[in-house]
Amino acid sequence: AQSVSQHNHHVILSEAASLELGCNYSYGGTVNLFWYVQYPGQHLQLLLKYFSGDPLVKGIKGFEAEFIKSKFSFNLRKPSVQWSDTAEYFCAVRGAGSYQLTFGKGTKLSVIP
Amino acid sequence: EPEVTQTPSHQVTQMGQEVILRCVPISNHLYFYWYRQILGQKVEFLVSFYNNEISEKSEIFDDQFSVERPDGSNFTLKIRSTKLEDSAMYFCASSTTTGELFFGEGSRLTVL
Repeated sequence: AQSVSQHNHHVILSEAASLELGCNYSYGGTVNLFWYVQYPGQHLQLLLKYFSGDPLVKGIKGFEAEFIKSKFSFNLRKPSVQWSDTAEYFCAVRGAGSYQLTFGKGTKLSVIP
Repeated sequence: EPEVTQTPSHQVTQMGQEVILRCVPISNHLYFYWYRQILGQKVEFLVSFYNNEISEKSEIFDDQFSVERPDGSNFTLKIRSTKLEDSAMYFCASSTTTGELFFGEGSRLTVL
């Protein structure tokens, strides 16, 4: 069975600080990888996804993530965070061809102005 | 921008009662899903639905749960006899293929 670990439960940063949120997964085959964001009171929104090709993927709002197959990791990065990035971030994995998306526990990001 | 809509946003029910959560997926999507998130825990997969049948389901999705697409637009999750541990936020999602899932805002279920 696939699983996803997000190592940080709550991250607090000042505006303009750089962000890296860790995500590791376990799955034996080809995977599709996702980062979703949930702003307070809103639904889950896709930030970025990786299916194949360039392991460095760029998403919306200046976010990017790098798929490192050897480390089973898909860390999310942003060079300079803003107060509006305050939200909960979820990493998710799906076996290629499967319908089931497995989520990590989420990382709450608080950005202090 | 098209979106997935869910009703009700919050439902409070007594243990043992039946509950139906409703979802209107994005109109050209063919794959439909239910996920749930118990407070403080992970978002968990419940079931996926394609071509009018369940395509995949998790261990959580036992005989108390059922899904239906009663007409061309709605996708419902029924919990036959609710238990306290069914209290959670239930998210509906849809997709065009097994690609990006678009989520609704969720229905909070509180079982007393």
